[in-house]
Amino acid sequence: NAGVTQTPKFQVLKTGQSMTLQCAQDMNHEYMSWYRQDPGMGLRLIHYSVGAGITDQGEVPNGYNVSRSTTEDFPLRLLSAAPSQTSVYFCASSPGWTDYEKLFFGSGTQLSVL
Amino acid sequence: DAKTTQPPSMDCAEGRAANLPCNHSTISGNEYVYWYRQIHSQGPQYIIHGLKNNETNEMASLIITEDRKSSTLILPHATLRDTAVYYCIDGSGGSNYKLTFGKGTLLTVNP
Repeated sequence: NAGVTQTPKFQVLKTGQSMTLQCAQDMNHEYMSWYRQDPGMGLRLIHYSVGAGITDQGEVPNGYNVSRSTTEDFPLRLLSAAPSQTSVYFCASSPGWTDYEKLFFGSGTQLSVL
Repeated sequence: DAKTTQPPSMDCAEGRAANLPCNHSTISGNEYVYWYRQIHSQGPQYIIHGLKNNETNEMASLIITEDRKSSTLILPHATLRDTAVYYCIDGSGGSNYKLTFGKGTLLTVNP
């Protein structure tokens, strides 16, 4: 069982470039979310989705876009990368309904913006 | 900001019990206590959650005080692989879309 799969594991961008971080889960989970983690800080919620076609903003949504066209996939798009977006990004999913808070996390994408 | 308070770091000897405390000063009556851990360079991992009764699973035990203002996660026989950052979180029992992680406690298990 693959669980939550994130690609790529590492990425280096130049300021102003755009890219998409991929996230896929094979557990038929309704809920998916993106967090970023900076050194010495906890995880901060970027965007989340409670089902296909439904997305909403988290704590730090600026500079990021998401869409949820299928239950399985929840890509995170950086529109114009900035050095402040250098971070480790984690995708998570949960069954939803009464278990939103029992999250399964991917292994992360380490992003550097030069 | 996270609503819970945890010590920034703790040490534990291998094979001994690790007791990780958490203060939930603003927890409400219908909020659950969740614990996660994050091993270095990995994504966080769910450990256990509870409302007011003590809970146990294959990973750990959770003790919640009667007033629910504090909880303790117990790893009964810590191993080197338990070295990680441990997060306690106030949840809503499953319906919170925006789970908030604080800075957690770095538990170092020493040989």
